Amino acid sequence: SQKIEQNSEALNIQEGKTATLTCNYTNYSPAYLQWYRQDPGRGPVFLLLIRENEKEKRKERLKVTFDTTLKQSLFHITASQPADSATYLCALLVDSSYKLIFGSGTRLLVRP
Amino acid sequence: DGGITQSPKYLFRKEGQNVTLSCEQNLNHDAMYWYRQDPGQGLRLIYYSQIVNDFQKGDIAEGYSVSREKKESFPLTVTSAQKNPTAFYLCASSISRGQRGETQYFGPGTRLLVL
Repeated sequence: SQKIEQNSEALNIQEGKTATLTCNYTNYSPAYLQWYRQDPGRGPVFLLLIRENEKEKRKERLKVTFDTTLKQSLFHITASQPADSATYLCALLVDSSYKLIFGSGTRLLVRP
Repeated sequence: DGGITQSPKYLFRKEGQNVTLSCEQNLNHDAMYWYRQDPGQGLRLIYYSQIVNDFQKGDIAEGYSVSREKKESFPLTVTSAQKNPTAFYLCASSISRGQRGETQYFGPGTRLLVL
């Protein structure tokens, strides 16, 4: 069966450290993978998109990698700040479909 | 200000009642979407619309209905046939469904509770 998995346990790190979140998928061949940030009680906000032929994408303190062999994307936040505390969702766009398939998200807590 | 608005922020439904959630966008986007989010789960697609007067079922359309009479509006009705409607409902839009990998822009959400 097709699955997209993110770690359901919260990631708790110290301010200034690098946060690394994981998105694994099975039985999909995604053309694109997107990362969104969601704050409690609010809608998700788009952060980054990476294509299947790209290995890495950066935006300011954010970095995303995409390994289609491992079927995994890693999302990094360097020099993390308490304001980065939120839930981060990954989403796949499968080439044969219009749909974005969302993971359940990983909550990040950055301690001051 | 461009964006997506949803109303109300909280909505209470009595048993057997139909309720309608509003979604309006002024981004001039063609495509609009409705998702449902339950605790600990990813967003699940209810309905989507590519263009005015056209819409398609998503993965969990049973018990819901939509209309798309205007480009900027995509209301969702939760009918009495939806037996477990308590959830956080999110509306989103994108420039065009035909564009690959495009970003979706989300509204602030409506939390529906059953009395």
